[in-house]
Amino acid sequence: AQTVTQSQPEMSVQEAETVTLSCTYDTSESDYYLFWYKQPPSRQMILVIRQEAYKQQNATENRFSVNFQKAAKSFSLKISDSQLGDAAMYFCAYRGFNNDMRFGAGTRLTVKP
Amino acid sequence: EAGVTQFPSHSVIEKGQTVTLRCDPISGHDNLYWYRRVMGKEIKFLLHFVKESKQDESGMPNNRFLAERTGGTYSTLKVQPAELEDSGVYFCASSQDSRTTQYFGPGTRLLVL
Repeated sequence: AQTVTQSQPEMSVQEAETVTLSCTYDTSESDYYLFWYKQPPSRQMILVIRQEAYKQQNATENRFSVNFQKAAKSFSLKISDSQLGDAAMYFCAYRGFNNDMRFGAGTRLTVKP
Repeated sequence: EAGVTQFPSHSVIEKGQTVTLRCDPISGHDNLYWYRRVMGKEIKFLLHFVKESKQDESGMPNNRFLAERTGGTYSTLKVQPAELEDSGVYFCASSQDSRTTQYFGPGTRLLVL
């Protein structure tokens, strides 16, 4: 079974600085998708970024980028120029052949002004 | 366009009672998913509907949980009778097809006393 591990329960970053959230996963599949979702306090979960495993190029969405290392089964999220609105719980997720999502336990990110 | 909505946002019930959670997916989305996050742990898949049919219900914890999606529109998840360990946040997500991005609702926080 696929598992997703987020080893950092909490992280904090100074406003305008850069932070990297870690995620590793375990799978025997070769074709899959990886996601980072963000859940601000008392608000719904939204998609931050997604990566197709067959693409070697790392996905980027404005200040958010990933470092996808397929061989190492690692999928970290880098947030550049952190803003107060980035404070949230971040979930790493895997979706494989059977299409249901596997999530990590989440990393709570605090942004200090 | 309206996103995924869930009702109620919060529910507090006593052990042994029944609770019904509702999810309204994004209009036109055939795929509907239920997930659950127990306190501090990862978000876990419960089941997946394609229209009104259950595509995958491998994540349903036991027969106290019943999910329906009559007519292929909104879905309900009933817990009867509720137990203390059922407490958590229940998320619903929908997608246009099984390979596209899942959009999440805000979740229902269930507390069983």
